[in-house]
Amino acid sequence: NAGVTQTPKFQVLKTGQSMTLQCAQDMNHEYMSWYRQDPGMGLRLIHYSVGAGITDQGEVPNGYNVSRSTTEDFPLRLLSAAPSQTSVYFCASTTGRSDTQYFGPGTRLTVL
Amino acid sequence: GDSVTQMEGPVTLSEEAFLTINCTYTATGYPSLFWYVQYPGEGLQLLLKATKADDKGSNKGFEATYRKETTSFHLEKGSVQVSDSAVYFCALIDTGRRALTFGSGTRLQVQP
Repeated sequence: NAGVTQTPKFQVLKTGQSMTLQCAQDMNHEYMSWYRQDPGMGLRLIHYSVGAGITDQGEVPNGYNVSRSTTEDFPLRLLSAAPSQTSVYFCASTTGRSDTQYFGPGTRLTVL
Repeated sequence: GDSVTQMEGPVTLSEEAFLTINCTYTATGYPSLFWYVQYPGEGLQLLLKATKADDKGSNKGFEATYRKETTSFHLEKGSVQVSDSAVYFCALIDTGRRALTFGSGTRLQVQP
């Protein structure tokens, strides 16, 4: 049981490039979410999903897209990277029967 | 919308000192409350949680009590150790989205 996995662990992009941060879980959790962590601001919700095929925006969705074609995978796409998207990104999952969120190890992204 | 407010850090203590990190929240209803810890260079770990009013969560010598009257969930530990040095996040869960709202985090530094 790998839990929640994220790839890559580190990434450097140039302004304007696009990329996809991968997130996968093997616990059959219905709910998944993406957060970004910035110094002094805690973690903020980018997008979330309540099940396969269903996604919605969180507090800071601009510049990011998501899809949920399977229960296991919840990729986060940066369409045109900007320096303001330099951050650490965490993916999490949980079930409808529990309040406990399971977090991935994070992806540290730098946009130059 | 929901919000969580934590005391600003850093908090610097000597080993064996008493720790309090204040946390208050604003939310609709009575959501479950959490404390997460992030050790240097690592991801998020659930430290403790409480699911209803007057519940006390505890783990590794840390405690927090869900106070509905004061909408608070303060974190306490009677005797801190150097190994407790980390960033502590207070959070609540949105039951519909199954996603967390975090405070800004409090850095704790414990000196020998």
